[in-house]
Order: sequence, then structure tokens, then C-alpha cells
Amino acid sequence: DAGVIQSPRHEVTEMGQEVTLRCKPISGHNSLFWYRQTMMRGLELLIYFNNNVPIDDSGMPEDRFSAKMPNASFSTLKIQPSEPRDSAVYFCASSTVKSSPLHFGNGTRLTVT
Amino acid sequence: GESVGLHLPTLSVQEGDNSIINCAYSNSASDYFIWYKQESGKGPQFIIDIRSNMDKRQGQRVTVLLNKTVKHLSLQIAATQPGDSAVYFCAEKSGQGAQKLVFGQGTRLTINP
Repeated sequence: DAGVIQSPRHEVTEMGQEVTLRCKPISGHNSLFWYRQTMMRGLELLIYFNNNVPIDDSGMPEDRFSAKMPNASFSTLKIQPSEPRDSAVYFCASSTVKSSPLHFGNGTRLTVT
Repeated sequence: GESVGLHLPTLSVQEGDNSIINCAYSNSASDYFIWYKQESGKGPQFIIDIRSNMDKRQGQRVTVLLNKTVKHLSLQIAATQPGDSAVYFCAEKSGQGAQKLVFGQGTRLTINP
């Protein structure tokens, strides 16, 4: 079975540029989560969706970050404009609403120079 | 000045020995706990979970122990193998219907041949 699929695997961009990260959750899962992992702060939840609806975005660092889930099989996390401190590995995870655990993709490593 | 990254606790074990990884969780209301394994370049991978109405659960070569009195969780890995080398995270979830999974800082386990 295909797991959570994220793209791209690596992204290198210059400060000020727009970055879009993509995620395809596991088919049949109706909850989707975006996490960020850094050495300083570990794994942090940014936002999560149930049935394509954002439920909690309290972890989104600031207005430069936005996330969408236009349908059950696709989500994006956008950073505009990007800054060097956004450099991290961004993970997408999915699960069923009433069931755990979360299943993670292999992440997108973002480097902002 | 140079930023200092998070220093992960480390544990080194001889191949074939048993290992115990410990985790102190923060929220006394947490009722669901999960252990994840993260290998280099990959996303966290589910190992085993336990609900707060249990104090022990066993899987294949792994056992999770939960002590709610002192808010302590442990993961025991029996007969360790080189493939067990990874960073291990505990995660907690609070409240019925809650979906936010909060991760600990992680422990790096190294299996020595």
C-alpha cells in the first residue's frame, strides 16, 4: 500500500521566494497533519485538517505560512515569503478521524538561503 | 552567534542485548501514548501504542510500559539488532476526540556490533 507521499523531497530556495510543499495522504484517511522538525524545537504540529476542514492552525508560525486541503487526496503548505529560519524538514501525516496512530510521509527538507 | 541545536539523549547498546528507552510525559490528562522510530532521512514510523487504561503492552520484540503515577513511559526492545539504530520518540494525546499528538524530544539509540 502506498503511504503518505510528499513532494518535493528536497527544496532549496532563496530568501523571499515562495515555497509550496505537497502531500497526498493515505487513501481513506480523513485527517491530515503538517509537522515541522528542527534540531532546536523537535517535531512541532503546524496545522491539521479533518475532512478537508482546518481544525487547529495554532501551530502555524506566522502569516507567511498557509495550508490548504482542496480535496481528500491533496494538501499544500505554502510559505510566502520564505526566510532562512524556515529551514527545516516538513512532514505530512494522515490518519482516520477516530483512529490513531498517525502515518508519516518521508518529509520535505527545505533549505532557505 | 552560532545557534545551539537540541542535544538528544543517547543510548548505546551491544547487539543482542535488551534496551530500555524512557520518556517523561507532561500532561496528566493524556490518555493515549505512542512510540515512533525515526531513521535518517525518513519520517517517524509507528512502533507501538498504549492507552491509559493499560500499564503494559507487548508487540514483536517491543514492550511499552506506562506508569501514570509518575507520568513515565518506557519502550523495551529485546534482542536488539543493527536495524534498531534510530531516534525514538514518545508522543502523547490528550482527551477524548483530541487529535493533537505532542512529541517528546527523542532518544538516539545506537546498536554496537
